[in-house]
Amino acid sequence: AQKVTQAQTEISVVEKEDVTLDCVYETRDTTYYLFWYKQPPSGELVFLIRRNSFDEQNEISGRYSWNFQKSTSSFNFTITASQVVDSAVYFCALTPLPIIQGAQKLVFGQGTRLTINP
Amino acid sequence: DVKVTQSSRYLVKRTGEKVFLECVQDMDHENMFWYRQDPGLGLRLIYFSYDVKMKEKGDIPEGYSVSREKKERFSLILESASTNQTSMYLCASRDFSYNSPLHFGNGTRLTVT
Repeated sequence: AQKVTQAQTEISVVEKEDVTLDCVYETRDTTYYLFWYKQPPSGELVFLIRRNSFDEQNEISGRYSWNFQKSTSSFNFTITASQVVDSAVYFCALTPLPIIQGAQKLVFGQGTRLTINP
Repeated sequence: DVKVTQSSRYLVKRTGEKVFLECVQDMDHENMFWYRQDPGLGLRLIYFSYDVKMKEKGDIPEGYSVSREKKERFSLILESASTNQTSMYLCASRDFSYNSPLHFGNGTRLTVT
């Protein structure tokens, strides 16, 4: 079975601080994909990044960076110099290799509510 | 840009009513999904569909059914609504590639009284 754990339920920081959101996953598959999504107050989940299980390179996109470590089954997300607009619920998700071609079951973590205070 | 539209943003229904939640996507995606979002539980998959008239149970299908008569439309049906089905319901779609990201609608907040 697959499982994604985001142990941090809520995080609150002051603007311009760096913040890291943790994600730990469990899967027996050797091929899988990991995702991060952002859910702002409007409610619509927005895709941020995808990483496949064979690519352990860290990725940076502006103030966002992701650290994938297969050895610890973690895919952590760091926001540098946080801004009020970063306030949202962030979800980490895992998709195993589908049994049915094209059918992707995305397994989500519980989400971390991030509040950036001015 | 992909657009996933859920017919209602807020819905209030009575216990025992039959409830239809509609979802339409405009990008000709093969796969469509219904998730339920509850505090502390994240998103849980109710049903998904990988083709017209095809459906698969997700992790929590009990009390729900779905319909996909046309490629762009995926309906979630609560045959007899109960208070424990009060939740935020999210529809999503994606193309045939299993590693492509999901595109979500804005959600329907359903309250069953």
